[in-house]
Amino acid sequence: EVQLVESGGGLVQPGRSLRLSCTTSGFIFGDYAMSWVRQAPGKGLEWLSVIRSKGYGGTPEYAASVKDRVTISRDDSKSIAYLQMYSLKTEDTAVYYCARRGRGWDFDYWGQGTLVTVSS
Amino acid sequence: QSALTQPASVSGSPGQSITISCSGTSSDIGDYNYVSWYRQHPGKAPKLIIYEVTNRPSGVSHRFSGSKSGNTASLTISGLQAEDEAVYYCSSYTSSISVVFGGGTNLTVL
Repeated sequence: EVQLVESGGGLVQPGRSLRLSCTTSGFIFGDYAMSWVRQAPGKGLEWLSVIRSKGYGGTPEYAASVKDRVTISRDDSKSIAYLQMYSLKTEDTAVYYCARRGRGWDFDYWGQGTLVTVSS
Repeated sequence: QSALTQPASVSGSPGQSITISCSGTSSDIGDYNYVSWYRQHPGKAPKLIIYEVTNRPSGVSHRFSGSKSGNTASLTISGLQAEDEAVYYCSSYTSSISVVFGGGTNLTVL
């Protein structure tokens, strides 16, 4: 069974950094691109980033809205994807989901999400 | 990249069919067959129901179908059931090597 579990969320002050983790199981992690999507309270989904599998270069892509403030990475030996976020703002408050990228540019499995609250 | 445009809400009675539209541009929906649809129940993670415009993942009901014409994609749900009440999101790959979501459509089953 494919499982994705996010962790690392919580309350953080504006301007601080935070690293989210996505621990996976049930599939060959190294064969898939992984992505992060967030959802502000009561709002829609916002795609943040993707990191390709090593077979496709392991390269990242970022949404323009967060490009300078996030870094996505992966550890294939541990089957974990990470999202490092910097200079957090109150508008970064959201549930952060990790998702496995499917055949194309779809997301076929999602974690349950981790809530990040940015507040002083 | 601006969000794709979806109606805020749609409704239908059990057994009826409804269609949700998703309007984009020639830089996303119009130029790529990477349109996906997701269903999200309150407090839950999104679930993929359509990928690459028309394809259903294994286990997704045949009641769900997708299509695309020009810069607009559509999701049709036939034989509406109470469990279909949820928020539906479309998404598309874009020429900026990114993904854009629609704002979401709240489906009410009357």
